[in-house]
Amino acid sequence: DQQVKQNSPSLSVQEGRISILNCDYTNSMFDYFLWYKKYPAEGPTFLISISSIKDKNEDGRFTVFLNKSAKHLSLHIVPSQPGDSAVYFCAAVVYSGGGADGLTFGKGTHLIIQP
Amino acid sequence: KAGVTQTPRYLIKTRGQQVTLSCSPISGHRSVSWYQQTPGQGLQFLFEYFSETQRNKGNFPGRFSGRQFSNSRSEMNVSTLELGDSALYLCASSHIPGGEANTEAFFGQGTRLTVV
Repeated sequence: DQQVKQNSPSLSVQEGRISILNCDYTNSMFDYFLWYKKYPAEGPTFLISISSIKDKNEDGRFTVFLNKSAKHLSLHIVPSQPGDSAVYFCAAVVYSGGGADGLTFGKGTHLIIQP
Repeated sequence: KAGVTQTPRYLIKTRGQQVTLSCSPISGHRSVSWYQQTPGQGLQFLFEYFSETQRNKGNFPGRFSGRQFSNSRSEMNVSTLELGDSALYLCASSHIPGGEANTEAFFGQGTRLTVV
């Protein structure tokens, strides 16, 4: 049972346009969400996060939106740049007892920025 | 400061063998988590260690185990290797478990394990 789903394995966007990556989750206990970016042969790097008490978090070109009622979050990249081409993982976590459990990841979306 | 270091980077083993992977977290980080990445399943949580104690465990068979040393370095072990264990194994370190500092975990480059 996949608790975090990224239904688009790949996404192609023209340079300068907006990239929108989507993520759905099923576990209503998740209370913190993160996006990681991964280049080939490298580990994932943290990009941006959002707490479940917020519906938007912005950091430069990156904005994450959270719709708790729909159990949906999205990452917007504006404007898209060639260096943004990578695999993007959505992740979620439940805080339990004295600390957080491990991150639950989606399967990733391969973003390709075309010149 | 130095990032998360995983060794070895690449490993080829045969079925039935066992393997030990190593992870050195960022200096000062006491929490180490392990993940398995495969094309079909994505990134899956294996287990987390903090102060030499396993705090959480994912849904993996007992062949997967780990430990953490007093210097926070961690090892994971897979016994009786199967072809399906071929994957990229990633280690992530964070300052403390719980709290926002933990969720922004820093990942190593991973160990690519191939079982033949």
